Amino acid sequence: GAGVSQSPRYKVAKRGQDVALRCDPISGHVSLFWYQQALGQGPEFLTYFQNEAQLDKSGLPSDRFFAERPEGSVSTLKIQRTQQEDSAVYLCASSSPGTVTDTQYFGPGTRLTVL
Amino acid sequence: ELKVEQNPLFLSMQEGKNYTIYCNYSTTSDRLYWYRQDPGKSLESLFVLLSNGAVKQEGRLMASLDTKARLSTLHITAAVHDLSATYFCASRTGSTNAGKSTFGDGTTLTVKP
Repeated sequence: GAGVSQSPRYKVAKRGQDVALRCDPISGHVSLFWYQQALGQGPEFLTYFQNEAQLDKSGLPSDRFFAERPEGSVSTLKIQRTQQEDSAVYLCASSSPGTVTDTQYFGPGTRLTVL
Repeated sequence: ELKVEQNPLFLSMQEGKNYTIYCNYSTTSDRLYWYRQDPGKSLESLFVLLSNGAVKQEGRLMASLDTKARLSTLHITAAVHDLSATYFCASRTGSTNAGKSTFGDGTTLTVKP
């Protein structure tokens, strides 16, 4: 079946522009996670949804970052007034309910470059 | 705050050799994951370790977990070039379908002929 998909795969923004990154999780996956991966580092947690509820947004670096999942499926991560330090790969992951291992399946990521 | 530390961060080894990557985590963990990431690609799940003494093996890779020492290891046996990649461990707390994963900084493995 289809895995997690993300779009766009690459995004170049001028400093100060707003961007929206989309994530389509695996069908039926209740949980959805956003991570930020800077060059040469491990992914860092941003936020987590269970269905449409945003249960944890402790990793969002500032109030310029906003995520939503209004119908409990597709999610959008929005970054307002982008800054150069926002340049990174943004990874989305989803996981299946009720499994012991609760493995997160990652999408290909969106590489954001802020000029 | 949960912290995850991997070492080494960079590893260059010859084909046919054995080596171990170490992953230390700072607080109690419910699950310990190992992922592989190829350049420009996303993360591929390799192993999930759930309990003390758990050992999982797939091909030339074997992962183990010691919850008392808060240590997981990824052992590479008779390395081949195809294993060249960055390997991440991640610790996760919380009940099923809850809780974020905290990742180490990764170990970049290069296997030379």
